[in-house]
Amino acid sequence: GAGVSQSPSNKVTEKGKDVELRCDPISGHTALYWYRQSLGQGLEFLIYFQGNSAPDKSGLPSDRFSAERTGGSVSTLTIQRTQQEDSAVYLCASSVSSNTQYFGPGTRLTVL
Amino acid sequence: GNSVTQMEGPVTLSEEAFLTINCTYTATGYPSLFWYVQYPGEGLQLLLKATKADDKGSNKGFEATYRKETTSFHLEKGSVQVSDSAVYFCALLMDSNYQLIWGAGTKLIIKP
Repeated sequence: GAGVSQSPSNKVTEKGKDVELRCDPISGHTALYWYRQSLGQGLEFLIYFQGNSAPDKSGLPSDRFSAERTGGSVSTLTIQRTQQEDSAVYLCASSVSSNTQYFGPGTRLTVL
Repeated sequence: GNSVTQMEGPVTLSEEAFLTINCTYTATGYPSLFWYVQYPGEGLQLLLKATKADDKGSNKGFEATYRKETTSFHLEKGSVQVSDSAVYFCALLMDSNYQLIWGAGTKLIIKP
């Protein structure tokens, strides 16, 4: 079956612009996760959704970051007023329950 | 807090050599343990997992055994191939949680 998909695969933006990253989880997966992978920080947890609710937003690095999930499916991660330190690969994962997480290919964000 | 420590890379081996990548963990409780692999330019793929002590996960010739007494989950393969060149991540997940706790990753380079 289809795996987790993310778009765009690459995004180059200028400092100060807003960006939206999209994640389509595996059909039927109720849980959805966003992580960030950067050279200096390794893999960092950002946010978790169970259905459309986000019980834990504590991993979001600043109030410039927000995320939503609609219809228990697609999720969008929005970064406002991007900064150079936001450059990273943003990974989305989904799972049936809070156990094995399956990852998408990621979105590589470059902020110039 | 919970944490994962894995051996630093890069690890460079010749084709058909025996591979071990060490992973140890600290956890208050009984986590599930995972190995993920990231091939160049790709996202994270689940390689194998174990959910309780003494379980052995295996896939594609790779194996890892959940050792509670040594809090370890070392990755092994009897005969590596050039195509195994990738970055390998060890991770843990607590039953009561949803956030994967990651090791720093180990880059594996296999030379023909």
